[in-house]
Amino acid sequence: QKEVEQDPGPLSVPEGAIVSLNCTYSNSAFQYFMWYRQYSRKGPELLMYTYSSGNKEDGRFTAQVDKSSKYISLFIRDSQPSDSATYLCATLAGGSQGNLIFGKGTKLSVKP
Amino acid sequence: NAGVMQNPRHLVRRRGQEARLRCSPMKGHSHVYWYRQLPEEGLKFMVYLQKENIIDESGMPKERFSAEFPKEGPSILRIQQVVRGDSAAYFCASSPPGIRTEAFFGQGTRLTVV
Repeated sequence: QKEVEQDPGPLSVPEGAIVSLNCTYSNSAFQYFMWYRQYSRKGPELLMYTYSSGNKEDGRFTAQVDKSSKYISLFIRDSQPSDSATYLCATLAGGSQGNLIFGKGTKLSVKP
Repeated sequence: NAGVMQNPRHLVRRRGQEARLRCSPMKGHSHVYWYRQLPEEGLKFMVYLQKENIIDESGMPKERFSAEFPKEGPSILRIQQVVRGDSAAYFCASSPPGIRTEAFFGQGTRLTVV
């Protein structure tokens, strides 16, 4: 079982739709969860991170963690064509390790 | 404040040659991470460095790959005797000391082995 699993999509929605992107993880010890956005042929850009369970909101973006089900979500409200990108979920490896463990990414297309 | 700078952006090497990838972290960041992204694959961790120290190299292939982050200058990822399977996008990320949750990525180096 992979440590972080993410449906690769692709996901296509009309402009203005609410988008839900999801990941599952396997290790209950993971505490920090991140969402990155990656445009084609660019580096990943950190959108937001959350600690443990709960929600975090930043503008049109809301990140949600449910530790009981090991499920993490990113919601995008009022989606725009400029949101078209690949969205990567990640978690921070524990202990003295500093690396991120990524899902494969979900490719999102927002149609005008 | 410049972001994480990687160069070159594109690198073409023939099989058997050496590839050197450079990464200058953001100002004030002392932690550097290298990741590799293969086509249709997610980002895979390779190595975590601080100045003059390799902290975690558990993701590095055992042979041909090495990394350093000297006291002065950029971090270098070196791949010796490249093979076609090394073709990928290599990303560097940096974070401030003690804040591992805020890792910022460079634009990557796209290595093509011909």
